[in-house]
Amino acid sequence: EIVLTQSPGTLSLSPGERAILSCRASQSVSSRFLAWYQQKPGQAPRLLIYGASTRATGIPDRFSGSGSGTDFTLTISRLEPEDFAIYYCQQYGSSTGVTFGPGTKVDIK
Amino acid sequence: QVQLVESGGGLVKPGGSLRLSCAASGFTFSDYYMSWIRQAPGKGLEWVSYISSSGSTTFYADSVKARFTFSRDNAKNSLYLQMNSLTAEDTAVYYCARVPGGGLVEIYDHWGQGTLGTVSS
Repeated sequence: EIVLTQSPGTLSLSPGERAILSCRASQSVSSRFLAWYQQKPGQAPRLLIYGASTRATGIPDRFSGSGSGTDFTLTISRLEPEDFAIYYCQQYGSSTGVTFGPGTKVDIK
Repeated sequence: QVQLVESGGGLVKPGGSLRLSCAASGFTFSDYYMSWIRQAPGKGLEWVSYISSSGSTTFYADSVKARFTFSRDNAKNSLYLQMNSLTAEDTAVYYCARVPGGGLVEIYDHWGQGTLGTVSS
C-alpha cells in the first residue's frame, strides 16, 4: 500500500495569502493518478484537482496542482474566505489500491 | 444535476449488520463505476469498495473484505452496501461517490452527503 503524508498538518493563514500544501508518497505515484479534494465541516469532499494538475469542473483558477513521482503540491494563490477547509490528497494504483493522505487543515490566522 | 443520496445508516450493536443504499439521479447511472468511501468521526477518508458499471466486478479494502458486499441495481439507479460482522472500527460516515472516465482512474467527481453508521453496545 502506498502511504501518503501531508504537511503541514495545519496551516494558519489570512485571506489573500498564498497557501502551499504538500503531499508526499511512500513510493512513486503516476501523476495521472493523483487527486486533491477539499472538505468543509459537515460536507462531503469536493474534487479540486486530478491528474496532479488538472482542475475539476467549476474549480477557480486560484487552485493549482503540481508535482511528480513522490512529491506533489496544491497551491491556493490567494485565499478566499470560503477556502478555509481541510484538503486531502489521494492516489490510485491498479496494484496498490486507493489511499488518501491524512489531510491539511487550512484555518484562519 | 448529479445527485447521490445515501440512506440506511443508524445504530447497531457489535456483530450486527447494516445495509446502506445510495440513490443516483441526473446522469446515466449504468455508465459509471461507483465507490463507497468512509470517514470515521473526526478522522480522514478511507476507501471501502468499488463496483464496475455492470456490477460484475467489485474490489474491497482489506479492512472490510469478506464482511461487506457491494452491489448495484442499474434498473433502479441504486447502490447497496451490505455490512456484516460490524465492529466499533466500522463507525463512520459512509459516502457513495461516482468514478468518472469509465473507471480507468479512480477519482471521485461527485459525492453524496453521507450516512452515519454507528456500531456500539
